[in-house]
Amino acid sequence: DQQVKQNSPSLSVQEGRISILNCDYTNSMFDYFLWYKKYPAEGPTFLISISSIKDKNEDGRFTVFLNKSAKHLSLHIVPSQPGDSAVYFCAAGRLGDSNYQLIWGAGTKLIIKP
Amino acid sequence: DSGVTQTPKHLITATGQRVTLRCSPRSGDLSVYWYQQSLDQGLQFLIQYYNGEERAKGNILERFSAQQFPDLHSELNLSSLELGDSALYFCASSVAGVKGTQYFGPGTRLTVL
Repeated sequence: DQQVKQNSPSLSVQEGRISILNCDYTNSMFDYFLWYKKYPAEGPTFLISISSIKDKNEDGRFTVFLNKSAKHLSLHIVPSQPGDSAVYFCAAGRLGDSNYQLIWGAGTKLIIKP
Repeated sequence: DSGVTQTPKHLITATGQRVTLRCSPRSGDLSVYWYQQSLDQGLQFLIQYYNGEERAKGNILERFSAQQFPDLHSELNLSSLELGDSALYFCASSVAGVKGTQYFGPGTRLTVL
């Protein structure tokens, strides 16, 4: 049972345009969501997070939107740059859970075309 | 550089063998997490330790075990290895539990032949 789904295995975007990566979840108890970026041969790096009390969080070129009713979150990258080419993972968890663990999506490979 | 180190970088072994993967968390981080990433799959959470004690368990096989030592480094032991255990194994650390962002090491690529 995939509780966190990233339905697009890959996405190709022109440099300078907006990249939108999507993530759906099924567990309504999740209240904390994160995006990580991963380059080949490296571990994932934290990008941005959002808690369920907010519907938007912005950090520079990266904005995460959360739609709780649709159980959907998205990561917007504006403008897209060549260095953004990587695999992006979304992850979800429950802050109040003593057995807390993050549930991860399968990742979306973002390719920024020059 | 996240500050999390993992050794070895690569490991090639045969079915039925046992291996130990090592992780040193960032200085000051008390929580260590182990993840498995099989080919083209997402990250599967295996286990978390906090200050030497097991805190959370995910989809960790009985053939796998882990521990966190007093100096906070952690080891993941994989035994009776099977071909399907071939994967990238990541260690991550955070200051506390969920409220702390997890910082990942570069991973250990395990190949079971």
